Amino acid sequence: EDQVTQSPEALRLQEGESSSLNCSYTVSGLRGLFWYRQDPGKGPEFLFTLYSAGEEKEKERLKATLTKKESFLHITAPKPEDSATYLCAVRVSGSARQLTFGSGTQLTVLP
Amino acid sequence: DADVTQTPRNRITKTGKRIMLECSQTKGHDRMYWYRQDPGLGLRLIYYSFDVKDINKGEISDGYSVSRQAQAKFSLSLESAIPNQTALYFCATSDTGTSGTGELFFGEGSRLTVL
Repeated sequence: EDQVTQSPEALRLQEGESSSLNCSYTVSGLRGLFWYRQDPGKGPEFLFTLYSAGEEKEKERLKATLTKKESFLHITAPKPEDSATYLCAVRVSGSARQLTFGSGTQLTVLP
Repeated sequence: DADVTQTPRNRITKTGKRIMLECSQTKGHDRMYWYRQDPGLGLRLIYYSFDVKDINKGEISDGYSVSRQAQAKFSLSLESAIPNQTALYFCATSDTGTSGTGELFFGEGSRLTVL
């Protein structure tokens, strides 16, 4: 069974304190790993797509990386406005292009 | 105005009642989805539609039905609501041309409480 596990469930950082969020996956035939951001009371918003091990994507203070077993979302010098829940999702072979989501990491950045 | 609009945003109902959640989009996308979000369980796919004549069951379709009335409209129905259908429901869209990127566009959600 395909599984996506995110850790930690919640993370509190001081402004400027860099850290990483983890998304580990056990799937047969990864066809893409995706990161989304979700603000309270809002729908998820797309951030990145990673297709193969070694690939990296960056956007402002966020950098996503991918290995054969997991992905990291690195947050460099975070600001309070980076506070949100970060979701990862995978697409696997034979899934008719559907995504399987993890349960998310709730990030709080304190000023 | 939002590109993906869900109505109602909040609904409280009783066990056994029929409920419809509606979704409309102005993005011109052909693909539409209904997801359910529960604490600790993430987003789970209920139904999806790749065009008006195409409806597919997702991971957790039991107890739900859908209707694609037009390219821009996709509604989710609970024929006889039960308490464990209490959740946050999201409609999402994507475009066939960019579907490989995994980019879904979500509405703001419909919070349903079944008493």
